[in-house]
Amino acid sequence: DAKTTQPPSMDCAEGRAANLPCNHSTISGNEYVYWYRQIHSQGPQYIIHGLKNNETNEMASLIITEDRKSSTLILPHATLRDTAVYYCIASANAGGTSYGKLTFGQGTILTVHP
Amino acid sequence: DVKVTQSSRYLVKRTGEKVFLECVQDMDHENMFWYRQDPGLGLRLIYFSYDVKMKEKGDIPEGYSVSREKKERFSLILESASTNQTSMYLCASSLTSGGWYQETQYFGPGTRLLVL
Repeated sequence: DAKTTQPPSMDCAEGRAANLPCNHSTISGNEYVYWYRQIHSQGPQYIIHGLKNNETNEMASLIITEDRKSSTLILPHATLRDTAVYYCIASANAGGTSYGKLTFGQGTILTVHP
Repeated sequence: DVKVTQSSRYLVKRTGEKVFLECVQDMDHENMFWYRQDPGLGLRLIYFSYDVKMKEKGDIPEGYSVSREKKERFSLILESASTNQTSMYLCASSLTSGGWYQETQYFGPGTRLLVL
């Protein structure tokens, strides 16, 4: 898995967009970018993933730069319940059958305040 | 709805005891994982299993063993618990993908283990 770098912490006002950056300068061509989050005292939860194109789902948007060396997770209207640790992971299978291993780093602690 | 359950949310054991942590998933997933999570160290993979009776060591397998006798159940065993195994233990499961994409991992709520 490529190494990812995230800021240790960020703040965001409730109702505003939260933009969480992630650097993955050594990402290889077949590695996807995944985002998970972990709310206090719970297990991590999948948010979104992408390879090259920008992606959007009901939870968030993922913007990946053209050179794929960095990405940004966007929570368009952050709420207090979005306060969590956000993990950015760059990973691919070995090819063929996947066992789904992911390497979690330290993540970014996002605090949404009123 | 997707569900991964763990046998206990909190557990207190004594040094030297044998400890069993159970994880059950109801999604017919092939892959199951055990992680531990410690402050400042993030999630670290202990063991994973990609099929019944199959297991692979993760990054920190020392002091642990696992058992997968049925597809839905994956057990983590601490043969002789030590204080440095005090931690949050998280179980996860996922499908097997046939390509480069890693299937979503679904996590249980975690077991907070205290070894005295």
